[in-house]
Amino acid sequence: QKEVEQNSGPLSVPEGAIASLNCTYSDRVSQSFFWYRQYSGKSPELIMSIYSNGDKEDGRFTAQLNKASQYVSLLIRDSQPSDSATYLCAVVGSQGNLIFGKGTKLSVKP
Amino acid sequence: DADVTQTPRNRITKTGKRIMLECSQTKGHDRMYWYRQDPGLGLRLIYYSFDVKDINKGEISDGYSVSRQAQAKFSLSLESAIPNQTALYFCATSGTVWTGDQETQYFGPGTRLLVL
Repeated sequence: QKEVEQNSGPLSVPEGAIASLNCTYSDRVSQSFFWYRQYSGKSPELIMSIYSNGDKEDGRFTAQLNKASQYVSLLIRDSQPSDSATYLCAVVGSQGNLIFGKGTKLSVKP
Repeated sequence: DADVTQTPRNRITKTGKRIMLECSQTKGHDRMYWYRQDPGLGLRLIYYSFDVKDINKGEISDGYSVSRQAQAKFSLSLESAIPNQTALYFCATSGTVWTGDQETQYFGPGTRLLVL
């Protein structure tokens, strides 16, 4: 069974700080990676996708991928209270489906 | 209007009842998925369909069945509901290999199901 592991948190950061969310995956052949944000009781919404080693930036968000270490991370700069949510890491599995981690709960304190 | 809709949004039912959850999409996507989410267990795939004639079991298909009535509609049925099927259910869609967006999934608003 292919797995995606995330620290469940909660991760607490002060407003304005950088939040760092981490994810590891077990399937070495995975090529596509996604970060979703989910507010309590709401549906997951896509934040970023990343396919190549290195960094990908989109506004305050940066995704980082290291396929050799089977590691993907999400950095949130200038964290805001509105960023408080659960962040889901997802990896495309061998059947073409997404395999989700259990999520990391982020709390940004004013 | 939302691209992916689910009905009902909330449902309370009794053990042994058959219920159906419906999902419709206007995104023109070929691929559709059903997930359930439980606290501490994350999102788990129940069934998925890559086109109208293609239905596949996911990680936790026992106790569930699906029907892909059209490209835009994918229904999930609980044949005989039991309390441990109480969960938040999400439908999701994704595009095709031909459009290059087959992997990015977009979620509906969810159905909260309580089985008594």
